[in-house]
Amino acid sequence: AQTVTQSQPEMSVQEAETVTLSCTYDTSENNYYLFWYKQPPSRQMILVIRQEAYKQQNATENRFSVNFQKAAKSFSLKISDSQLGDTAMYFCAWDSMDSSYKLIFGSGTRLLVRP
Amino acid sequence: GAVVSQHPSRVICKSGTSVKIECRSLDFQATTMFWYRQFPKQSLMLMATSNEGSKATYEQGVEKDKFLINHASLTLSTLTVTSAHPEDSSFYICSAPKGGGTEAFFGQGTRLTVV
Repeated sequence: AQTVTQSQPEMSVQEAETVTLSCTYDTSENNYYLFWYKQPPSRQMILVIRQEAYKQQNATENRFSVNFQKAAKSFSLKISDSQLGDTAMYFCAWDSMDSSYKLIFGSGTRLLVRP
Repeated sequence: GAVVSQHPSRVICKSGTSVKIECRSLDFQATTMFWYRQFPKQSLMLMATSNEGSKATYEQGVEKDKFLINHASLTLSTLTVTSAHPEDSSFYICSAPKGGGTEAFFGQGTRLTVV
């Protein structure tokens, strides 16, 4: 069975600084998707970034980028120029390449951006 | 982006009663929807896959007789918590993948409190 592990329950970063959230996963499949979702206090799940496992290039979305290490089964999220609005829970998630979007989530990391 | 609407956002019910939660895809058709449960400060746990026109598929450990799922149309899935008890109190979230797209869209969630 697939598992997703986030080892940092809470993180804190100063506004405008950079922070990296860690995620590791376990799967026997070779092709899959990885995601980072943001859940602000409103509880609405928001997609931050997505990575296809067959792509070697790391995904980037504006201030958000990932470090995808397939052999190590690692998928970290880097947030640059942190903003107060980035304060939220961040979940790493895995999905099979069948594109079912049947997501397996990690336990989450609570990120606090300090002014 | 696509919109998934979940209703109600909050509900309080008495122990022993049943509660229905609706999940609608507003601007696209969804043959599959997913229902997740989130305990306070915890991750999202997949409960079941809702399939339009056929029976739902439940994850291991989820009681199908307690959590009834009906996907009667291409835009609506309902989750009914039957004979609710205080331990069923939780945050329930639905998601719907947009066909051919690259993202699953989440509803706003429903906070269920059983008293």
